[in-house]
Amino acid sequence: DQQVKQNSPSLSVQEGRISILNCDYTNSMFDYFLWYKKYPAEGPTFLISISSIKDKNEDGRFTVFLNKSAKHLSLHIVPSQPGDSAVYFCAASFTGTASKLTFGTGTRLQVTL
Amino acid sequence: KAGVTQTPRYLIKTRGQQVTLSCSPISGHRSVSWYQQTPGQGLQFLFEYFSETQRNKGNFPGRFSGRQFSNSRSEMNVSTLELGDSALYLCASSLMGTGNEKLFFGSGTQLSVL
Repeated sequence: DQQVKQNSPSLSVQEGRISILNCDYTNSMFDYFLWYKKYPAEGPTFLISISSIKDKNEDGRFTVFLNKSAKHLSLHIVPSQPGDSAVYFCAASFTGTASKLTFGTGTRLQVTL
Repeated sequence: KAGVTQTPRYLIKTRGQQVTLSCSPISGHRSVSWYQQTPGQGLQFLFEYFSETQRNKGNFPGRFSGRQFSNSRSEMNVSTLELGDSALYLCASSLMGTGNEKLFFGSGTQLSVL
């Protein structure tokens, strides 16, 4: 039972354009959401997070939007750069259990020149 | 400050064998958690250790076990290996593993079971 879903396995975007990565979840008890980025042969690194009391969080070129009624979140990267090419994982947790994340299956982003 | 270190980076084993993976967390971090990454399944939570005690556990069979030492270093053991255990095993650490702390991941151990 996949509680966090990333339905697009891959996405290709031109440099300078916006990248939008989507994530859906089924468990309405999740109250904290994160995005991690993973390069080949490296572990995932934290990118940005959002609490369920907010609907938007911004950090430089990265913005995460949360739509609780739709159980949907998205990551926007503007502008996209070649160095953003990586696999992006959406994750969810319950506040207080930071170590037990439920991850999606990942979306591979390719930023082309 | 040094990151999370996992050894070995690669392992090849045969079915029925057992394997032990090691993880050294970031200095000062007391929570260590383990994840399995397989193609198509994303990262799945195995278990978490804090102060040498297993605090949380995922939905994996008893063949998967772990422990944590007094210096917070952790080991994970898989017994009676099956082909389906082939995966990237990732270790993550955080200060206390509570609240909304960030997890810091190691580069993983790639296990191949033949």
